[in-house]
Amino acid sequence: NAGVTQTPKFQVLKTGQSMTLQCAQDMNHEYMSWYRQDPGMGLRLIHYSVGAGITDQGEVPNGYNVSRSTTEDFPLRLLSAAPSQTSVYFCASSFAGSNTGELFFGEGSRLTVL
Amino acid sequence: KQEVTQIPAALSVPEGENLVLNCSFTDSAIYNLQWFRQDPGKGLTSLLLIQSSQREQTSGRLNASLDKSSGRSTLYIAASQPGDSATYLCALPIISNFGNEKLTFGTGTRLTIIP
Repeated sequence: NAGVTQTPKFQVLKTGQSMTLQCAQDMNHEYMSWYRQDPGMGLRLIHYSVGAGITDQGEVPNGYNVSRSTTEDFPLRLLSAAPSQTSVYFCASSFAGSNTGELFFGEGSRLTVL
Repeated sequence: KQEVTQIPAALSVPEGENLVLNCSFTDSAIYNLQWFRQDPGKGLTSLLLIQSSQREQTSGRLNASLDKSSGRSTLYIAASQPGDSATYLCALPIISNFGNEKLTFGTGTRLTIIP
């Protein structure tokens, strides 16, 4: 199994450009989520999904869009990149239910916005 | 709002010693608590998940305990090795109608094992 796969691993953008970070999982997990990790701030939840067609905002959603058209994929879109979005982005997935829930992470996507 | 604290932020110990990492949380109404390891430039790897009904969970040299009443969890590492050097994070789900789809993370403890 590949687990959770994120692409690209590195990206440099100019302010105002748009891009999509891709995330795919092959474990048939219902839950998928995006976190950003910044020094001194820890990991913060951006958006999450509890199943195909269902998404919701996390702690820091502004400037990001998501969609979940299939169980496997959960892309994160930056419509107009800003320097404040320079960060490392992690996609994670897990089975549904409060009694399970081990979270599996991708390797991360390091984004720099100039 | 659940707040998760990990103190100290960094810890250095000689190889072979046993050590304890701490995680404190403010809301005892939790589903579970998960410990992760993160190597520099890498993603997070799940180490142990303790359900709210459990007191501890073990995997090899690792033992995680959970005391909901005091809002604390500890990760015990026995006979530490240089390969244990990494950042260790704890995380708890935010209580919701669905379950554990949203997690709150501590900022981690950066552990260095000195050969």
